[in-house]
Amino acid sequence: NAGVTQTPKFQVLKTGQSMTLQCAQDMNHNSMYWYRQDPGMGLRLIYYSASEGTTDKGEVPNGYNVSRLNKREFSLRLESAAPSQTSVYFCASSEIQGTSYEQYFGPGTRLTVT
Amino acid sequence: RKEVEQDPGPFNVPEGATVAFNCTYSNSASQSFFWYRQDCRKEPKLLMSVYSSGNEDGRFTAQLNRASQYISLLIRDSKLSDSATYLCVVNMRSGNTPLVFGKGTRLSVIA
Repeated sequence: NAGVTQTPKFQVLKTGQSMTLQCAQDMNHNSMYWYRQDPGMGLRLIYYSASEGTTDKGEVPNGYNVSRLNKREFSLRLESAAPSQTSVYFCASSEIQGTSYEQYFGPGTRLTVT
Repeated sequence: RKEVEQDPGPFNVPEGATVAFNCTYSNSASQSFFWYRQDCRKEPKLLMSVYSSGNEDGRFTAQLNRASQYISLLIRDSKLSDSATYLCVVNMRSGNTPLVFGKGTRLSVIA
């Protein structure tokens, strides 16, 4: 199993450009998440999708939009990139199975906005 | 008070040492607790869940104190390969809901 995959791995954007970060999971999980990670700030939740067809804001949603395309895929869009959005972006998915709960992360996308 | 607080470190310890990390959480109704490990420039991965009775996995022991809202991770006989950032993680609501991550404690094990 590939687990959680993300594309692209690296991206450089100019201020004002737009882009979509793609995420897919093959574990049949209902819930998916987008985080950003900045030095000294830890992981911060941008948006999440508890199940197909639903999305909710997290801690830092401003400047981002998401789409839960189907159960497998959850994309993150930056409409007009700003230098403050330079970060590492992680997608994750999770499911509760009995008493077990684990969130699986993708390898991350390193985004630089100049 | 931040939701999940950890000492950021870094902790620099020699091989073979025992090291302990602590974490406090703000929501007394929190449901489940975890330690994740993140290697440099990699994604976080689950190290172990933390159960009320405490649990052990090889050299790693996790403890939970609900009364004090405190979680700990003990690593015995540290290896060079234990060098990483350790994230304290809390599920503050029941069900399949977003986890809240601490900022992490960095550990460097030195030969």
